[in-house]
Amino acid sequence: KQEVTQIPAALSVPEGENLVLNCSFTDSAIYNLQWFRQDPGKGLTSLLLIQSSQREQTSGRLNASLDKSSGRSTLYIAASQPGDSATYLCARISGNTPLVFGKGTRLSVIA
Amino acid sequence: GAVVSQHPSWVICKSGTSVKIECRSLDFQATTMFWYRQFPKQSLMLMATSNEGSKATYEQGVEKDKFLINHASLTLSTLTVTSAHPEDSSFYICSLAGTSGNYEQYFGPGTRLTVT
Repeated sequence: KQEVTQIPAALSVPEGENLVLNCSFTDSAIYNLQWFRQDPGKGLTSLLLIQSSQREQTSGRLNASLDKSSGRSTLYIAASQPGDSATYLCARISGNTPLVFGKGTRLSVIA
Repeated sequence: GAVVSQHPSWVICKSGTSVKIECRSLDFQATTMFWYRQFPKQSLMLMATSNEGSKATYEQGVEKDKFLINHASLTLSTLTVTSAHPEDSSFYICSLAGTSGNYEQYFGPGTRLTVT
């Protein structure tokens, strides 16, 4: 069974701090990996998608890396802001099949 | 990216009644859509894969006669929760895969179902 694990489950940081969220997966044959943000009671917002041939993707203050050999992906958030508070989910993509999600990391950025 | 809508965004129904949730692709045709369910403080769990013009494929433990999926067109999939029970109260989200070749998936905003 393919699994995706996210560590930590919850994280609380002061505003302005740089932080790293971790995602590990058991299937080395993944195609791509996608990071999402979910606000309470809301749907998912796609943040970054890293194709299996890539090592990282950047969007604004966000940087996601992918290391297939170790089965890991990280999401780096620079200069965190209270508006970054949300649950962050990573998901493994294998072709046009359903995503396999981790349980998420609940981030709180304190002003 | 694709734009996916869901209707309704929230619904409250009485136990024993049926509720239909719509998932629409607004800007391209999707042969495959996915339905997920999310309980409070849990991650998304796949319920079924909806295929246009054919029967849906259900995940183990999901009752196909209770959760009816109809993918009647390339832009619309519906999930009907029949004879709803309080334990069916959850957040239901649909998604579809884009056609850019990188398999990026796009999610609807979700539907909050509360069964009283």
